[in-house]
Amino acid sequence: DTGVSQDPRHKITKRGQNVTFRCDPISEHNRLYWYRQTLGQGPEFLTYFQNEAQLEKSRLLSDRFSAERPKGSFSTLEIQRTEQGDSAMYLCASSRQGEYQPQHFGDGTRLSIL
Amino acid sequence: AQSVTQLDSHVSVSEGTPVLLRCNYSSSYSPSLFWYVQHPNKGLQLLLKYTSAATLVKGINGFEAEFKKSETSFHLTKPSAHMSDAAEYFCVVSDQSPGRRALTFGSGTRLQVQP
Repeated sequence: DTGVSQDPRHKITKRGQNVTFRCDPISEHNRLYWYRQTLGQGPEFLTYFQNEAQLEKSRLLSDRFSAERPKGSFSTLEIQRTEQGDSAMYLCASSRQGEYQPQHFGDGTRLSIL
Repeated sequence: AQSVTQLDSHVSVSEGTPVLLRCNYSSSYSPSLFWYVQHPNKGLQLLLKYTSAATLVKGINGFEAEFKKSETSFHLTKPSAHMSDAAEYFCVVSDQSPGRRALTFGSGTRLQVQP
């Protein structure tokens, strides 16, 4: 169990640029989740995949955000035309399928918009 | 709908004294409840989970939580605080409603441990 891996750990970009983050889940986990955490708050759910299917999306996920998991393994989260309000920690988690399976989190990607 | 309220944003204890972090939840279905801990600039680590089995749940590092349905509470306790326990703690609910897998987090409680 090597844990959930996220890349990059930090991303600084100018407003209006596009950014992409990557998440590699624990290998035997077929569910993958994205959350966003702003300073002083708990994480907020963005979206989740079961294998390659995106099954749930939060209203927080505006049309500037897109997530993919093309082969049911790693996932990418892209933010287009970044805005100041996108500055946050983006957390990825994975879990096994089934009831009550806990989600295991990566260390996150911290995004700073200049 | 599901929600979580963490009743204290900051708790400060002395090393060796008990810890109590309070959490109340709301859920339309039978909930699963979790406590996660987050150290600075790190991801979240699962401390313990409640999934409708025993109401007293034991977790890692000496932490426990008790599910009380009548009070809709899931408070986290530890008999004796250690300096390494200083971190942010999140109470989390998942209501297991059909098709939903999202976790709902509380706003967090920052635990300080004084020497």
